[in-house]
Amino acid sequence: KNEVEQSPQNLTAQEGEFITINCSYSVGISALHWLQQHPGGGIVSLFMLSSGKKKHGRLIATINIQEKHSSLHITASHPRDSAVYICAVELGGGATNKLIFGTGTLLAVQP
Amino acid sequence: DGGITQSPKYLFRKEGQNVTLSCEQNLNHDAMYWYRQDPGQGLRLIYYSQIVNDFQKGDIAEGYSVSREKKESFPLTVTSAQKNPTAFYLCASSMAGTRNSPLHFGNGTRLTVT
Repeated sequence: KNEVEQSPQNLTAQEGEFITINCSYSVGISALHWLQQHPGGGIVSLFMLSSGKKKHGRLIATINIQEKHSSLHITASHPRDSAVYICAVELGGGATNKLIFGTGTLLAVQP
Repeated sequence: DGGITQSPKYLFRKEGQNVTLSCEQNLNHDAMYWYRQDPGQGLRLIYYSQIVNDFQKGDIAEGYSVSREKKESFPLTVTSAQKNPTAFYLCASSMAGTRNSPLHFGNGTRLTVT
């Protein structure tokens, strides 16, 4: 079993729909990152959170430390949101900043 | 604009040849990382460096080497000892540690070895 599991693996939505991508992890963490990878391959950091909820534009990320679960929500989805969304957890303790990555969720938003 | 530049975007090599991937950042970040991405797998850490002239092995360092002679530069050499070098390689940087700062990624280099 992977230490970081994302669901779904693939998601197709119609423009305007509310989208949720889930991330579950099995290790103790100090922070969780949500990343976006576009078809060209470049990756952009969307959120870094260790508790609660963060919002940026149409994107919302939440984390429940007790349940070891995080969600990424996209409101009023648009075709330009089509990308791979990657969850990564940062292990707790120690001096290194080791991240464990999920395999990503491929999102396609159709007009 | 500040950012990370990886070059080249596509690289083709014959089996048995060493190849060096470039990574330059002008973000004044102390920490730099190299990741490998394969289809259906999460990114895996090859090497990382927290400070100039120092670097540590990640989870899959075998067959790779790095140097950190300058803060801005963290080149990765894929040696002939790497059994499956064909992959997408991503360089990233952060302020000293990712705990309080996000990762910044380059656009990647796709290496094909035949």
